[in-house]
Amino acid sequence: DTGVSQDPRHKITKRGQNVTFRCDPISEHNRLYWYRQTLGQGPEFLTYFQNEAQLEKSRLLSDRFSAERPKGSFSTLEIQRTEQGDSAMYLCASSPRESNQPQHFGDGTRLSIL
Amino acid sequence: TQLLEQSPQFLSIQEGENLTVYCNSSSVFSSLQWYRQEPGEGPVLLVTVVTGGEVKKLKRLTFQFGDARKDSSLHITAAQPGDTGLYLCAGVGTSGTYKYIFGTGTRLKVLA
Repeated sequence: DTGVSQDPRHKITKRGQNVTFRCDPISEHNRLYWYRQTLGQGPEFLTYFQNEAQLEKSRLLSDRFSAERPKGSFSTLEIQRTEQGDSAMYLCASSPRESNQPQHFGDGTRLSIL
Repeated sequence: TQLLEQSPQFLSIQEGENLTVYCNSSSVFSSLQWYRQEPGEGPVLLVTVVTGGEVKKLKRLTFQFGDARKDSSLHITAAQPGDTGLYLCAGVGTSGTYKYIFGTGTRLKVLA
């Protein structure tokens, strides 16, 4: 078990481009979460999956954002037509099925929009 | 909307001092986690508390969950420079959702 893995670790792109991030959760975890974190702040919830089902989405997740977890394993987060305000750390976490079990985080993807 | 407020936001202390960080809400949580985060890395889990009034110790760190499960505290005894980081609390609501709400964070700096 290598923990939650995120790829890439850093992404620099020009405004208006599309970007996609990948998250590989801990293998036996059926819940997967995406968060956005800006400097010095706590993570803000974006969305979460239970297996392949996307159960909740934050209103922070505008139409330009989409997340998928097609086979209930890895997940992707895509941002279309990036804006400078999208610059942030995007964190992925996973947790097991049992209630009250904590999340475990990856090291995030830092997105910088030029 | 469930919110978790942490205090203080920033704390700079000398090595050897004690400190307490608070995490407060008007909502009840079924469980609450504390994390520490270093720059450029993801949050690392320190502890989970589940039962109202529960106290857990992790070396020099003592965590307490309020009796009503609305608040929590983290106490560090004899702080060391290695304790420097962003401390985050996160709670899971009781409404059947597994969505985690994070606190605003406490940035701690321990000076040698």
